[in-house]
Amino acid sequence: DVKVTQSSRYLVKRTGEKVFLECVQDMDHENMFWYRQDPGLGLRLIYFSYDVKMKEKGDIPEGYSVSREKKERFSLILESASTNQTSMYLCASSELPGTGRAVEQFFGPGTRLTVL
Amino acid sequence: AQTVTQSQPEMSVQEAETVTLSCTYDTSESDYYLFWYKQPPSRQMILVIRQEAYKQQNATENRFSVNFQKAAKSFSLKISDSQLGDAAMYFCAYSKIQGAQKLVFGQGTRLTINP
Repeated sequence: DVKVTQSSRYLVKRTGEKVFLECVQDMDHENMFWYRQDPGLGLRLIYFSYDVKMKEKGDIPEGYSVSREKKERFSLILESASTNQTSMYLCASSELPGTGRAVEQFFGPGTRLTVL
Repeated sequence: AQTVTQSQPEMSVQEAETVTLSCTYDTSESDYYLFWYKQPPSRQMILVIRQEAYKQQNATENRFSVNFQKAAKSFSLKISDSQLGDAAMYFCAYSKIQGAQKLVFGQGTRLTINP
């Protein structure tokens, strides 16, 4: 089974702190994604990566950065956390199209981040 | 830009009954994927069913089936013989065929199963 893990289920930080959210997948997937989930808004894409050291902005990248130094690991960084970044953060991974493998995204359990 | 709309924030159904969740989308692409994802209270998002737009036949997975109307850009999910374990948030999502296949999600529908 595909497994996507996230470093924390719950996290509480203070305004202005630097926050690292870690995601690891064990299926050798090329693509990795970070989403933010808010009630009534569904999931919105923050950043994604299609290869090591490669990244692209999603729909709401402001206030976030990412790092992908190894294929299996994708980190989301909040340089200076703010209260409006209180949310659920979901990581996902997927295979490249055309490989004959499943194309759907596989999700981690999520991190509930509260910024005070 | 592609958009996905779920117009039913909440739905409820009696156990063993059938329920249909609605989803509409907008795209200028001719080929794409559509998905229904389920997020139970434990929060792990899992795939329920997938439809390739070039396939006219509606996808089915056991008690789950879709009604894919390409011209109308509609993609509804039907759950037959509803079970208590079906209670969850359901998200409709779209992705292109090529590229990194970013998912565009709808707002979600919270499904409650009444015993």
